Amino acid sequence: QKEVEQDPGPLSVPEGAIVSLNCTYSNSAFQYFMWYRQYSRKGPELLMYTYSSGNKEDGRFTAQVDKSSKYISLFIRDSQPSDSATYLCAMSAGGNNRLAFGKGNQVVVIP
Amino acid sequence: DAGVIQSPRHEVTEMGQEVTLRCKPISGHDYLFWYRQTMMRGLELLIYFNNNVPIDDSGMPEDRFSAKMPNASFSTLKIQPSEPRDSAVYFCASSLGAGYSPLHFGNGTRLTVT
Repeated sequence: QKEVEQDPGPLSVPEGAIVSLNCTYSNSAFQYFMWYRQYSRKGPELLMYTYSSGNKEDGRFTAQVDKSSKYISLFIRDSQPSDSATYLCAMSAGGNNRLAFGKGNQVVVIP
Repeated sequence: DAGVIQSPRHEVTEMGQEVTLRCKPISGHDYLFWYRQTMMRGLELLIYFNNNVPIDDSGMPEDRFSAKMPNASFSTLKIQPSEPRDSAVYFCASSLGAGYSPLHFGNGTRLTVT
């Protein structure tokens, strides 16, 4: 079993819809959770950062962490064409432990 | 800050040739990472440095791959000899910490080996 599972299947939604993305993980030591956004032919950039369990909201973006289920989610409200990108989840146990990345979800928001 | 700078942006080479990828991290960041991204495998960590010292190179696929960081502002990833299966996008990233600090990525080098 991979450390981080993220269904890479592309997701197409109409503008204004809610986008829901998720990752599961197997390492119970993970306590730092991040979402990166990657535009075509660019490097990933940090979108959301969460420590331990709970929710975090930033504008149209909400990140949720459920450590008991080893499950994290990213929600994008009122999606815009500019949200079209690949979204990668990443997590770590902290210290000198490296970040473990999911494979990424390609999201296309159709005007 | 200019961010992480990688060069070249694109590299096309023939099998068997030596390839050198370059990276300038963000000033003040003491961790530097090299990743490889493909559709099939996603982002794979190849190696990372702390204060210019290699800490974990377990992701380097073969002896054909080598990485150096001679100073805090420069790192190279070398492939010699290159093979078609090395074709991928190679990213450099830097951060203030290993597991808890966000990574700042460059825009990558797209390598094509024919």
